[in-house]
Amino acid sequence: EVQLVESGGALVQPGGSLRLSCVASGFTLSVHYMDWVRQAPGKGLEWVGRSRNKPNGYTTDYAASVKGRFTIFRDDSKNSLYLQMNSLKTEDTAVYYCTRVHHGDYFDYWGQGTLVTVSS
Amino acid sequence: DIQMTQSPSSLSASVGDRVTITCRASQTITNYVNWYHQRPGKAPKLLIYTASNLQSGVPSRFSGSGSGTDFTLTISGLQPEDFGTYYCQQFYGMELTFGPGTKVDLK
Repeated sequence: EVQLVESGGALVQPGGSLRLSCVASGFTLSVHYMDWVRQAPGKGLEWVGRSRNKPNGYTTDYAASVKGRFTIFRDDSKNSLYLQMNSLKTEDTAVYYCTRVHHGDYFDYWGQGTLVTVSS
Repeated sequence: DIQMTQSPSSLSASVGDRVTITCRASQTITNYVNWYHQRPGKAPKLLIYTASNLQSGVPSRFSGSGSGTDFTLTISGLQPEDFGTYYCQQFYGMELTFGPGTKVDLK
């Protein structure tokens, strides 16, 4: 059974940093693209960024709203995906979901989400 | 960026109703659109991929159609578990984008 379990969400001050983790089970992480998607309280879904699979060199892409501040990386030996978030802003407050991407096309599995609150 | 719009933004329906939600892209995206359903407090769930393909395990009352810029999600016979918010999402552009959502609640 495929499972994605996020952790690391917390309350952090503006300008601070936080690292989210996503542990995958039931499939081989290195085979798949993996994305982060977020949802601000009471709002819609926003794509954050992508980590491509091993055959595609683990390259990454980011939404313009987080580029230069957020970094996605992975440790396939631990079947884990990470989101390093720096220079956090209040508008980064959201539930962050780890997602598996099927052939680069659609999000076929989602984690339960982890809440990040940026506030002073 | 490719902008996605949805209509209506919300609707009230009864169990058994036929429900249609539309999604429009700001430029042509061929058939590169997916549909998700989200219940309050839960993660979204994939319903339809690449415009018209039913995800495994999703009931056949859900169907998708469209190409170019205009897409439709249809629920033929709404069930109690179908209430919640529906999102379209495009994967044509480098930056993936979602529609703002259509909230479906009980009349």
